[in-house]
Amino acid sequence: QVQLQESGPGLVKPSQTLSLTCTVSGDSISSGSYHWNWIRQPAGKGLEWIGRVHTSGSINYNPSLKSRVTISMDTSNNQFALKLTSVTAADTAVYYCASEPGRGTGSDCWGQGTLVTVSS
Amino acid sequence: QSVLTQPPSVSGAPGQRVTISCTGSSSNIGARYNVHWYQHLPGTAPKLLIYDNSNRPSGVPDRFSGSKSGTSASLAITGLQAEDEADYYCQSYDSSLSAVIFGGGTKLTVL
Repeated sequence: QVQLQESGPGLVKPSQTLSLTCTVSGDSISSGSYHWNWIRQPAGKGLEWIGRVHTSGSINYNPSLKSRVTISMDTSNNQFALKLTSVTAADTAVYYCASEPGRGTGSDCWGQGTLVTVSS
Repeated sequence: QSVLTQPPSVSGAPGQRVTISCTGSSSNIGARYNVHWYQHLPGTAPKLLIYDNSNRPSGVPDRFSGSKSGTSASLAITGLQAEDEADYYCQSYDSSLSAVIFGGGTKLTVL
């Protein structure tokens, strides 16, 4: 059973870079065909897809965040990471990592989520 | 404004049937991209409820069903139970954006 766990600072100052890591256990991040996603939910709002990296290394980003987002894969530590630059209060949200089979059948495994607050 | 449009809220009494719509366009649902549905309870991670328009993952009760037609999809819940009270989201892919997209979410209230 694959499990995902987000980790990273819970507080980031405005204009700085938000960095989160998702640690995958129960399977190798580089085996098979999976999309490894980052998704967020601001308080009182809906889910917003941030981007994903495929097992093959191909990466897709939400166009609205593309200029500020970098998603990468660290196969040696079985992790994938999110970096979001120039953050503002609007980036305050619960951030989730989630895995989706490569055929695109929906994210069937999620981390518990981590709250990141942007504030000085 | 989400690319996929859902009603903000729906409600129903225990035992009743409710449906939640998800309306897209020719670049997503209408382009034959599949629709997935999630149930999201406060303080928990979203749970995949329906995948590929109408398939239930193992463990999801058959009270939940999905369908898709044209540029829209629907989630139906029969035999409504108090524990079904949650937020529900549809998800698909948009070829114009080259991006995964979510609906704005629908809050289900069990009266």
